[in-house]
Amino acid sequence: DAGVIQSPRHEVTEMGQEVTLRCKPISGHNSLFWYRQTMMRGLELLIYFNNNVPIDDSGMPEDRFSAKMPNASFSTLKIQPSEPRDSAVYFCASSPTGVFTEAFFGQGTRLTVV
Amino acid sequence: TQLLEQSPQFLSIQEGENLTVYCNSSSVFSSLQWYRQEPGEGPVLLVTVVTGGEVKKLKRLTFQFGDARKDSSLHITAAQPGDTGLYLCAGALTGNQFYFGTGTSLTVIP
Repeated sequence: DAGVIQSPRHEVTEMGQEVTLRCKPISGHNSLFWYRQTMMRGLELLIYFNNNVPIDDSGMPEDRFSAKMPNASFSTLKIQPSEPRDSAVYFCASSPTGVFTEAFFGQGTRLTVV
Repeated sequence: TQLLEQSPQFLSIQEGENLTVYCNSSSVFSSLQWYRQEPGEGPVLLVTVVTGGEVKKLKRLTFQFGDARKDSSLHITAAQPGDTGLYLCAGALTGNQFYFGTGTSLTVIP
């Protein structure tokens, strides 16, 4: 398996533009997570899907952020409009069903908003 | 505020030295995991502990889960340059929803 695949790896955009980050989880994994990592705040859980259904989106910072999982093999995280403070590395992770399971992370998308 | 606080935040040691990293919270966790992250990559799981007081060993790494399941420690014996990285603890309140700690950046100098 190729692991969790995220695209793009790097994104530079201007303030006010829409940004869409993409994730392909590992086949067969039922849980999908979006995290944001910054030096100041560390790795923050933004949203958690189980069987394509959002379970907890309490970590989504504002209404400018939205996430979808239209099917078991694809998820998006959208920021509209983007702001400089959204600059961070965004990680997608997936895990199989069950308790105490391992989360497999993608390589992340480094977002810079100028 | 962070659910899990790690200390120290930064650690730089000489090859061959021992070190301990701490992960503390006021919350009780159903399970706790330790991950290591290298630059430009996502975190990779090292271990999962689920029972209060549990101790797990992975070669030179020893992980302990506190009796009350609120804290954990990672001890590395005879550190090597290959141990360099960001060490993250992650706790689950329920199920598979893990919250990550603030991280400890370890540098092992040859």
